[in-house]
Amino acid sequence: AQSVTQLGSHVSVSEGALVLLRCNYSSSVPPYLFWYVQYPNQGLQLLLKYTTGATLVKGINGFEAEFKKSETSFHLTKPSAHMSDAAEYFCAVSPTSGTYKYIFGTGTRLKVLA
Amino acid sequence: KAGVTQTPRYLIKTRGQQVTLSCSPISGHRSVSWYQQTPGQGLQFLFEYFSETQRNKGNFPGRFSGRQFSNSRSEMNVSTLELGDSALYLCASSFADSTYGYTFGSGTRLTVV
Repeated sequence: AQSVTQLGSHVSVSEGALVLLRCNYSSSVPPYLFWYVQYPNQGLQLLLKYTTGATLVKGINGFEAEFKKSETSFHLTKPSAHMSDAAEYFCAVSPTSGTYKYIFGTGTRLKVLA
Repeated sequence: KAGVTQTPRYLIKTRGQQVTLSCSPISGHRSVSWYQQTPGQGLQFLFEYFSETQRNKGNFPGRFSGRQFSNSRSEMNVSTLELGDSALYLCASSFADSTYGYTFGSGTRLTVV
């Protein structure tokens, strides 16, 4: 069965510092991979996705993620944190066929310090 | 273009009652999924519909049901509400499936008292 692990339920960074949010997945075959962001009292917004092709994926708001098959990882990074990046981030996987659903990680709440 | 619209935004119900939540997907999107979000269990998949057919269902009791109409709008129903059903219910739509990425609505916050 597929699963997603997000290391660190809370991450704090200083404004201007590197943001690194970790995501590892468990799957017998590489799944489709996604990062979503959730602001308070809102739904989830798609940041970026990996389906096939280039393993370094660029998303919105300056975020990017790299798919590393050998490490079964899909970590999210942003070179310079902004106060507006404070939110909860979810990594999700979806099988490449058949189940039509996401399996979400437990989320990482990002705090940006002034 | 309009996003995914969920109504109502907030709902308070009493144990034992039933509730219906509504979701209007993005125009042209034919896949609609529902998720339950709680602090304890996180985001859990409820079900997914495509062209009025349920393609997948999560591990929820039969009290949770859904349907999709010919215009792709979807409803989910929870009967005999329990306190544990209190959650944020999120609807998401996609052109066809997860490959395209799902667009989520703002959710319906259900409180069962």
